Amino acid sequence: DVQMTQSPSTLSASVGDRVTITCRASQSVYSFLAWYQQKPGKAPKLLIYKVSNLENGVPSRFSGSGYGTEFTLTISSLQPDDYATYYCQQYNSRTSFGQGTKLEIK
Amino acid sequence: EAQLLESGGGLVQPGRSLRLSCEASGFKFEDYAMHWVRQAPGKGLEWVASISWKSGSIGYGDSVKDRFTISRNNAENSLSLEMNSLKVDDTALYYCVKDTSIRGFINAFDMWGQGTVVTVSA
Repeated sequence: DVQMTQSPSTLSASVGDRVTITCRASQSVYSFLAWYQQKPGKAPKLLIYKVSNLENGVPSRFSGSGYGTEFTLTISSLQPDDYATYYCQQYNSRTSFGQGTKLEIK
Repeated sequence: EAQLLESGGGLVQPGRSLRLSCEASGFKFEDYAMHWVRQAPGKGLEWVASISWKSGSIGYGDSVKDRFTISRNNAENSLSLEMNSLKVDDTALYYCVKDTSIRGFINAFDMWGQGTVVTVSA
C-alpha cells in the first residue's frame, strides 16, 4: 500500500501569508494526486486533482505542484476562509490519504 | 442540485452487523464510480471501499476487507455498505463519495455526502 505523509501536521500562519504544505508518497504515484480542504463539522471539499488542476470554483490563490513522490499545495495569500485541515490523496494504486495538515491562525 | 444522502448509521455492539445506504440525486449515478470514506472522531480520512460504475471493479481498504461489502443499484441510484463483524475501531463518520471520472474506478472525489455516524460499543 502507498503511504502518504504530510508535513507539517500543524501550521500556524497569518492572513496574507504564503503557505506551503508538503505531501510525500512511499512510492511513485505519478500525477495521481489530489488535495482536499475540510472545515470542522463539514465534509471534505476537493480543491485540486491530478497535482495541479483546480476544481471549479476554487480560488486561484490555491495551486499544486509535484510529481512522483513529492507534492506541494500552496496558498499564495492566506485568507480567513482558508483556515481548515488539508488532506492529500493518491489514486494511482487504489487510494490513500495523508494524515492531514491543520492550518491555524497565528 | 446534485447531492448524496447517507443513512443507516447508529449504535451497534461489537461483532454485530449494520447496513449503510446512500441515495444519489442530481447527476447520472450510473456513470460514476462511488466510494465510502470514513473518519474516526478527531482523526483523518480513511478509504473504506470503492465500486466502479457497473460494479465490475470493487476494492476495499485493508482494515475492512473480508468484513465489509460494497454494492450499488443503478436503477435506484443507490449505494450500500454492508458491515459485518463490527469492531470498536470501526466507529466513525461514514461518507458516501462520488468519483470525478466518468466510467472510471478510483480517481479524485468531487462530491461528498454529510455522512452517517456509526458507533460500535458494548
